[in-house]
Amino acid sequence: NAGVTQTPKFQVLKTGQSMTLQCAQDMNHNSMYWYRQDPGMGLRLIYYSASEGTTDKGEVPNGYNVSRLNKREFSLRLESAAPSQTSVYFCASIQGNGYTFGSGTRLTVV
Amino acid sequence: AQKITQTQPGMFVQEKEAVTLDCTYDTSDQSYGLFWYKQPSSGEMIFLIYQGSYDEQNATEGRYSLNFQKARKSANLVISASQLGDSAMYFCAMREGGTYKYIFGTGTRLKVLA
Repeated sequence: NAGVTQTPKFQVLKTGQSMTLQCAQDMNHNSMYWYRQDPGMGLRLIYYSASEGTTDKGEVPNGYNVSRLNKREFSLRLESAAPSQTSVYFCASIQGNGYTFGSGTRLTVV
Repeated sequence: AQKITQTQPGMFVQEKEAVTLDCTYDTSDQSYGLFWYKQPSSGEMIFLIYQGSYDEQNATEGRYSLNFQKARKSANLVISASQLGDSAMYFCAMREGGTYKYIFGTGTRLKVLA
């Protein structure tokens, strides 16, 4: 099915561990985004990629890195996870108006 | 800096009645886009409706309409004939023209009562 695919859906990390959240879209969209969702704070932009080969910081980039591997894939890496990074992470892509979101990754850092 | 404000953390509405979810925004740009998304308890984000800053007519999509008052910088979502399946979190969002960045409000949780 066409859309945005995120993996994994759930993850528990220990403080200090690293991991990469994967995101792929098959709609040939140019722009891709990573958001985190925390209770009472809505969605906050971590990083985005306006087009293949470019990435830019959003509102809350500290503690994260991203890679736009090709037009389809945009990964988010936590180098040294902290409890403050416990959140639900959404990847999205867009062409024109309206995001298409992935189903989210629920990450818990203990 | 641009900002989206949703002042209603939670709302209740009786089934089959209409409900308005409030959204105000702040931007210095003349060109921008306003969006509403629905997030049911299953967690996925569903795009509902879009309004461009230059659109003269209010956007409508089925039972959803966007009450756009540009001078007041408000973009309220109106859901007509509420259904139990409308119970969800609703987010207002804005894109400034010429950028790829979107910002979201903190959301309003709507509960439809039978």
